[in-house]
This record gives sequence, C-alpha cells and structure tokens, in this order.
Amino acid sequence: EAQVTQNPRYLITVTGKKLTVTCSQNMNHEYMSWYRQDPGLGLRQIYYSMNVEVTDKGDVPEGYKVSRKEKRNFPLILESPSPNQTSLYFCASSRRSNQPQHFGDGTRLSIL
Amino acid sequence: EDQVTQSPEALRLQEGESSSLNCSYTVSGLRGLFWYRQDPGKGPEFLFTLYSAGEEKEKERLKATLTKKESFLHITAPKPEDSATYLCAVQAELDDYKLSFGAGTTVTVRA
Repeated sequence: EAQVTQNPRYLITVTGKKLTVTCSQNMNHEYMSWYRQDPGLGLRQIYYSMNVEVTDKGDVPEGYKVSRKEKRNFPLILESPSPNQTSLYFCASSRRSNQPQHFGDGTRLSIL
Repeated sequence: EDQVTQSPEALRLQEGESSSLNCSYTVSGLRGLFWYRQDPGKGPEFLFTLYSAGEEKEKERLKATLTKKESFLHITAPKPEDSATYLCAVQAELDDYKLSFGAGTTVTVRA
C-alpha cells in the first residue's frame, strides 16, 4: 500500500530536549515536504526536498532542521524545541513538486 | 506573496442540502489549484487539481470549479460521510516547490 509514515504520532516533551520526527514514503517519490498545522493558520511549509541531498527552506523554517540522505526518508529535527513549536506536523511526498502530494497522518507535538 | 482565503470557516448542513465552499486566491501566475479533504486525526487526502479558468472536475457528490480569482467546491446532496475539513491550496508557476494553503472549511452534515 502506498503510504507516508510518520513517527511518533504523539509526543509530549520539554523545552530544549532535542527530538526527531521521522518520515518515510514507499512510493519512490522525489519531492518531500514538512508542514505544520495550527488553528486558523492552515498548513505552512517548514522545509522541502526536491531530491536526495537537495533541501531548502519553506515559509517557517526557524528552529527546524532536515536531511535527505535517502530518497525514502526525510526526518524533521528540532535541536532545541520551544513551546511555540507545539503544533500538528505533517510530512508529504509527491512524484514531482508540481503534482498532488500524499500526506502522512500527522505528528502531534506538545512542548512544555 | 501567495494568499488563499477560504469561506465560510464552518458549514453545517442537513443531509441532502446542497451547498458551496469558496476559495479565493492571489498568486502570481497559477500553476495549479488543489482541493484536499482532511478527516479528524488524518492527513489531507487529495481530491482535485484545477489548472485553468473554466475547468471543472467531479467526483461523486463533489464538483470543483475555477475562475481567475476563486474556486468553488460544490457539494450536491451531501451525506454524513462528507463531513470533513476541506482545504484549498495554490501553486505558483515560478514557485512549483510549494503549496500555499487556506485555513480550511469544516463541513458537518447531519442525518
């Protein structure tokens, strides 16, 4: 089954404790992206990757890092999380950047 | 900067009561406008892509239309299973690496 898998689905942690949210897709897609979803603001892009070793900032990249060492994986790293990063995060992938994206089921992060 | 505004924020319908959702957009050269459906606890699920004014796409009880400034998602004779949040997103010709999303319209259909 074609899917985008995120882990963990839920996480409660404390300020400053480094965390990584993993994202994996099994569709051999070139393009991958991370979004955060906050009430009233819609989905906002954090980082995206056009292909292996090619990443760039989206609209809200501050406080986040990413890497794309393999085509299927695109982890999101919060080196020193802060409460304003409490949000619902989605990973997405598509064959090319201009094609419909497939989304994971989300990761709800709470940073205390 | 691309802007997408969806209205209304929430819509409560009786089963069978048809209605429309609006997505107004501002983009410098539209490459595509996308509609997604999002269920609680799930990621957005792709519905339609529209590329040019006048284009229409249909899927079951849903029909999406596009003009140069807005898109409509028409729900005909909705059923409770159509309850979801519907998201609109635009992609610009020169920035085809990003989608700009609206905040969504939450539709509740009562039996």
